[in-house]
Amino acid sequence: EAGVAQSPRYKIIEKRQSVAFWCNPISGHATLYWYQQILGQGPKLLIQFQNNGVVDDSQLPKDRFSAERLKGVDSTLKIQPAKLEDSAVYLCASSLDRGRQETQYFGPGTRLLVL
Amino acid sequence: SQQGEEDPQALSIQEGENATMNCSYKTSINNLQWYRQNSGRGLVHLILIRSNEREKHSGRLRVTLDTSKKSSSLLITASRAADTASYFCATELAAGNKLTFGGGTRVLVKP
Repeated sequence: EAGVAQSPRYKIIEKRQSVAFWCNPISGHATLYWYQQILGQGPKLLIQFQNNGVVDDSQLPKDRFSAERLKGVDSTLKIQPAKLEDSAVYLCASSLDRGRQETQYFGPGTRLLVL
Repeated sequence: SQQGEEDPQALSIQEGENATMNCSYKTSINNLQWYRQNSGRGLVHLILIRSNEREKHSGRLRVTLDTSKKSSSLLITASRAADTASYFCATELAAGNKLTFGGGTRVLVKP
């Protein structure tokens, strides 16, 4: 089966600019996650969707980050305006369902560099 | 601070040797998972061990869980150069809850 798709793979922007990332989860997966992974650290969950509803966005910097999952399939994560400290890899993951100890499947990530 | 902390932070071994890394966590968990991340690639799920399990095997991987000590270990036997990667433990506090990752152990397997 096809894995989690993400685009773009790389993005370089200047601080205060805007950027958007796209994720297409594995077909049939109800739960979608966005993680931020700063170099040398483990991934940190930004937001979790169950279908098109937000389950957890407690660690999402809502003054600059936003995410949506229209129709419960694809998702976009936006940063506006970007700061230097947003330089990281943004990973999207999906799982079959929530509440059943499901494995999360990760996409290749989008590597963001903010100059 | 992070829920899971891996030890050591880095490990260098010869091909054919075993590699062991540990993960400690702070609060009760529903399950603990191990992931591998190769350079430039995404995270790949290795093993999930539930809180009522003590040991699981998958190929050359062996995971143990000691809930009384709030710790887990990942053993890679007969390592190969292709095992060179970062290994992360992640804890799920309750079913359907978010995963909290540790900082990872960077493993280098020298040919």
